[in-house]
Amino acid sequence: NAGVMQNPRHLVRRRGQEARLRCSPVKGHSHVYWYRQLPEEGLKFMVYLQKENIIDESGMPKERFSAEFPKEGPSILRIQQVVRGDSAAYFCASSLGAYNSPLHFGNGTRLTVT
Amino acid sequence: GEDVEQSLFLSVREGDSSVINCTYTDSSSTYLYWYKQEPGAGLQLLTYIFSNMDMKQDQRLTVLLNKKDKHLSLRIADTQTGDSAIYFCAENVAGTYKYIFGTGTRLKVLA
Repeated sequence: NAGVMQNPRHLVRRRGQEARLRCSPVKGHSHVYWYRQLPEEGLKFMVYLQKENIIDESGMPKERFSAEFPKEGPSILRIQQVVRGDSAAYFCASSLGAYNSPLHFGNGTRLTVT
Repeated sequence: GEDVEQSLFLSVREGDSSVINCTYTDSSSTYLYWYKQEPGAGLQLLTYIFSNMDMKQDQRLTVLLNKKDKHLSLRIADTQTGDSAIYFCAENVAGTYKYIFGTGTRLKVLA
């Protein structure tokens, strides 16, 4: 009974490169959330997606960041032209329904920009 | 504003009880959650309570909800060193997909 799977666990990128973070939700879950966590801080909401649709991207910077959740395959968070300030842990969560359903989290991808 | 507040640190001795407090924002929130985050890991759902309940007990965990004061607490009985982690409370704003997380309380258990 696989939970939320994120890969890679650790990702190192040089400034200016692209980072692609993948998230496979719990089987049967069609709601995906992405959060960012800086060291010693809480979770910051980035984006909420349902299959093939972005519902709320209000927490995601308008430039360089994008997210998708295609009909087939994992959800992808893409960061173009990374900068040092993008270094953080990025967590994906999925849920069975849009509300009244607990979020199930992956173990995160730790992005380091050198 | 949408701020869920928690104290940042709590230190207890092994075997004692821990009480982690949280003040949430939306009186219409239907579900309130407690998550545990160990170093290098994601958030693990510990327990949750529906807003029409005052208390929920699950083995060593007791959740208390005071709707009037919008106060939520998590009590861990017989705290063990393995309970050392960051604990997040979260509310699900009624009828929406919005989950608002607290800043987390870092629990340190002293042997």
